[in-house]
Amino acid sequence: DGGITQSPKYLFRKEGQNVTLSCEQNLNHDAMYWYRQDPGQGLRLIYYSQIVNDFQKGDIAEGYSVSREKKESFPLTVTSAQKNPTAFYLCASSVTRDIRNQPQHFGDGTRLSIL
Amino acid sequence: QQPVQSPQAVILREGEDAVINCSSSKALYSVHWYRQKHGEAPVFLMILLKGGEQKGHEKISASFNEKKQQSSLYLTASQLSYSGTYFCGTADRGGSNYKLTFGKGTLLTVNP
Repeated sequence: DGGITQSPKYLFRKEGQNVTLSCEQNLNHDAMYWYRQDPGQGLRLIYYSQIVNDFQKGDIAEGYSVSREKKESFPLTVTSAQKNPTAFYLCASSVTRDIRNQPQHFGDGTRLSIL
Repeated sequence: QQPVQSPQAVILREGEDAVINCSSSKALYSVHWYRQKHGEAPVFLMILLKGGEQKGHEKISASFNEKKQQSSLYLTASQLSYSGTYFCGTADRGGSNYKLTFGKGTLLTVNP
């Protein structure tokens, strides 16, 4: 079955440590997205990528970095500069970059906590 | 800027109806609706495009008034499975790209 796979499901970060969240899709979608979800805040866009080797900052990109070397993969690194990383992270994809008339498909998320 | 959803939370008995509203201060190209169960991924419900379109999905329907930059989600004869948090996402232009901005969500609880 096609879908989006996020790993790990739970992740713990030590102070000063960078951690990388994995997102893989086999839907052959061009566009991929990373969202952060905090209680009562909805989903906030961190980064998005509309084609391979290209990505744009979303609304809350500070302290995060991404890469898009392959169409299937869009890993997110939470750097030590992100002082409040505890949140639920969701990866999504869409067929093309034009999000106006097509749905986003979400992975099951990674819950990140600070040790 | 996030669209504003109202109410923040609503509690229903099975079989009752509910309306969830979503409004934006920006010109909108479309409105998306998603439902999320606790700890799970959001699930797509429907997209409303320009033109005052109304769409339906099972007993859930929605409308979009582009002039008022508002959308409403209508849940009729609610079922226990409708419980969850409902998010609207508004598609607007950011530079040369379109992106989706989500509201903070409306928590719907359906009791027996």
